[in-house]
Amino acid sequence: QKEVEQDPGPLSVPEGAIVSLNCTYSNSAFQYFMWYRQYSRKGPELLMYTYSSGNKEDGRFTAQVDKSSKYISLFIRDSQPSDSATYLCAMGEGGGSQGNLIFGKGTKLSVKP
Amino acid sequence: ETGVTQSPTHLIKTRGQQVTLRCSSQSGHNTVSWYQQALGQGPQFIFQYYREEENGRGNFPPRFSGLQFPNYSSELNVNALELDDSALYLCASSLRGGGATSTDTQYFGPGTRLTVL
Repeated sequence: QKEVEQDPGPLSVPEGAIVSLNCTYSNSAFQYFMWYRQYSRKGPELLMYTYSSGNKEDGRFTAQVDKSSKYISLFIRDSQPSDSATYLCAMGEGGGSQGNLIFGKGTKLSVKP
Repeated sequence: ETGVTQSPTHLIKTRGQQVTLRCSSQSGHNTVSWYQQALGQGPQFIFQYYREEENGRGNFPPRFSGLQFPNYSSELNVNALELDDSALYLCASSLRGGGATSTDTQYFGPGTRLTVL
């Protein structure tokens, strides 16, 4: 079993839809959880950062962490064509400066006008 | 834009050659991590440097080596290139010891796309 599992999609939704992306993990020592957005042939861009459990909201984006289920989610409200990208979950035992991040494979999202 | 820069953007090498990739950290960051991202995969951790010393290494052979300089910029060197080394190489910077108000996570550069023929 991989440490981090993420459905690669592709996922196609109409503009304005609510998008739900998720990852599961096996390492109970993970404390730091991130979502990155990666456009084609570009580097990953940090979207959301959460330490331990709980919810975090930033504009149209909401990140949820459920450590008891080892499950994290990213919700995108009122999705736009510009949201079309690959979304990567990442997590680590220490913070970003304390060691490596483990990434999922990424989910490719397409938002149709 | 994160402020992390990488050079070159693209590179083509042949099997057996050596390559050096470069990274400049975001201003104020003191830690650099390198990742390899194969097509259709998530990034995989190669190693991390803090204060010019290696501070953690992933499952990569010794022919992958690195350096961090006093200005926190960094190099990734790969010797004896193999076809499977073809990938996007990502550099990420972060701040260790930034205090309670800092976000302890990594900010990525645009990557260097390496093709090995």
